[in-house]
Formats: sequence, C-alpha cells, structure tokens
Amino acid sequence: NAGVTQTPKFQVLKTGQSMTLQCAQDMNHNSMYWYRQDPGMGLRLIYYSASEGTTDKGEVPNGYNVSRLNKREFSLRLESAAPSQTSVYFCASSANYEQYFGPGTRLTVT
Amino acid sequence: DAKTTQPPSMDCAEGRAANLPCNHSTISGNEYVYWYRQIHSQGPQYIIHGLKNNETNEMASLIITEDRKSSTLILPHATLRDTAVYYCIVRVRANAGKSTFGDGTTLTVKP
Repeated sequence: NAGVTQTPKFQVLKTGQSMTLQCAQDMNHNSMYWYRQDPGMGLRLIYYSASEGTTDKGEVPNGYNVSRLNKREFSLRLESAAPSQTSVYFCASSANYEQYFGPGTRLTVT
Repeated sequence: DAKTTQPPSMDCAEGRAANLPCNHSTISGNEYVYWYRQIHSQGPQYIIHGLKNNETNEMASLIITEDRKSSTLILPHATLRDTAVYYCIVRVRANAGKSTFGDGTTLTVKP
C-alpha cells in the first residue's frame, strides 16, 4: 500500500515549456487535490476532483489544467511554464475526514 | 471556510507539553477544526479533528472552547521529531480538502 505517489520528484523547466505532473493513489479515495506551496508559505489549492469525471477550480487555478484519468490518477498540466510557477506541488486524496498527501514535486522554472 | 489565526512560531522544551493555539472566531456550526503538520518539506500529515467536543488520539489532544471560537492542539510530551509547521484549518466535512492551509505555526522543540 503505497498511499499517494507523485512523479517526478524534481523538475527544471525553461519558460514556455510544458509538462504534466502525475499523481496516483491506491486507497480507493473519491476525492483528489493539487496544491502548491511557495517558499515559507502554506499550501494553496489549485484544483480538486470530488469524484472520477469531475474537476473544480481551487484558489489559484490560472496557468494549470487537470485530468482525472480514473479513480486512481489525477494529473496536473502546465501548458506554458512561467517562473511564477516555481513551487513545490503536492497531490492529496481523501475519503471522509483525513487527507493523505504525496511527497511532492519540486518544480523550478527558469 | 472560516479564517484561522495562528502565532507564526513557538518553542517548546523536549518532554514538555506543547500547546498550539488557533483562533477561528467566524466558525460556522457545521464546520470542523482540523489540525495537520508538515515536517521539513514533506507532505502534510493529518493529526486530529473535532466539531465541539474535546478529542484525543495517539498523537495529540484537541481542546475546543465552548463558544468554538478558538482551539488548542496539545502534544503531551513533545520530542525533537515534533518540530514542524502546524496548520489549523476550519472546514465543513463535505469540503474536506477545499481550503487553503494558511501559514501555520512553526513549532521548534529544543533539547
């Protein structure tokens, strides 16, 4: 039981490049989330998915797209990366009360 | 979701109780108080949650005031491994993940 896994762990992009961050959970949770955490700050919600086939915007969705591929997988795509998107990205899933977080992806955009 | 206010930092001696306060004066009747912590740069970890009664689990205790406008997370015997950022979040159960974590309290446990 791996919990929530994220790939890659680290990534460096040039401005304008695109990439997809992958997230998978093996706990059969309906809800999944993407957060970003800038240095010295708390987590901010980018997008969430309450169930397979649905996605909704969070607090900071601009510049991102998401896909809930199936119940296990929830991906985050940066179509044209900008330096302001340099951050640590966390994926999470939840069933009732508790959220489970992945280890994060550290993204640098130069 | 109601806004929360936490002190930016606190220190605690190893082996002593750590008491972390949180103000949530605009909390609604159906909103729960959740606590998470983030050790170093890892993903946040759930600690405990409550509605209006005090709660205890193997990690911590949660004391919620009678008017529900504030709460305190208690780590009864803090260890060096409890050094982390602690987040207090208020949300309705159905929206368990749909809120920002805020800046939290950085707890430093000292030998």
